[in-house]
Amino acid sequence: SQTIHQWPATLVQPVGSPLSLECTVEGTSNPNLYWYRQAAGRGLQLLFYSVGIGQISSEVPQNLSASRPQDRQFILSSKKLLLSDSGFYLCAWSAPAEGSPLHFGNGTRLTVT
Amino acid sequence: AQSVAQPEDQVNVAEGNPLTVKCTYSVSGNPYLFWYVQYPNRGLQFLLKYITGDNLVKGSYGFEAEFNKSQTSFHLKKPSALVSDSALYFCAVRIYNQGGKLIFGQGTELSVKP
Repeated sequence: SQTIHQWPATLVQPVGSPLSLECTVEGTSNPNLYWYRQAAGRGLQLLFYSVGIGQISSEVPQNLSASRPQDRQFILSSKKLLLSDSGFYLCAWSAPAEGSPLHFGNGTRLTVT
Repeated sequence: AQSVAQPEDQVNVAEGNPLTVKCTYSVSGNPYLFWYVQYPNRGLQFLLKYITGDNLVKGSYGFEAEFNKSQTSFHLKKPSALVSDSALYFCAVRIYNQGGKLIFGQGTELSVKP
């Protein structure tokens, strides 16, 4: 069966520090991968998605970036965090086939101080 | 623009009563619709989906959803609510020409009281 791992679960970082969140998927190949951010416990905003190694599409211009160095690895990064980067970050994967649901990791709670 | 709307921020139901969480959508072409549930500080769990076929879709934990093309709705239902159903529910539409991304509604907080 397929599983998705996301870490760390919580993170407290000062303003201006770098960020690296990692997500890996097991038990499948060539998944679509996604990073979402959830602010204030509600709205889900898509940040990046990837349909293959090295292929990254950005949804919202900001100081975050994403990379996919391996087929089942998706990394969210920032060189300098802002207070507004605080939130709950969710990684997800899906099979490319139409009708496949997205499967989410347990999320990372990021607090920028 | 393709979008999903959940008109109720919160739904309150007594345990044992039926529940409905509303969702309407606006998409071009055939909609691929999903419902997810989120418990506090956790990721989203997939409940059910509508791709094609029967308008009544059955999913996990006794939930079902009714697709209505003429009303562009996809309401989530359960015949008898449990206190453990209390959570945040999201309706979503999948956009296949943009990496298969999900566009979510704003979420509905379901509270089931004993």
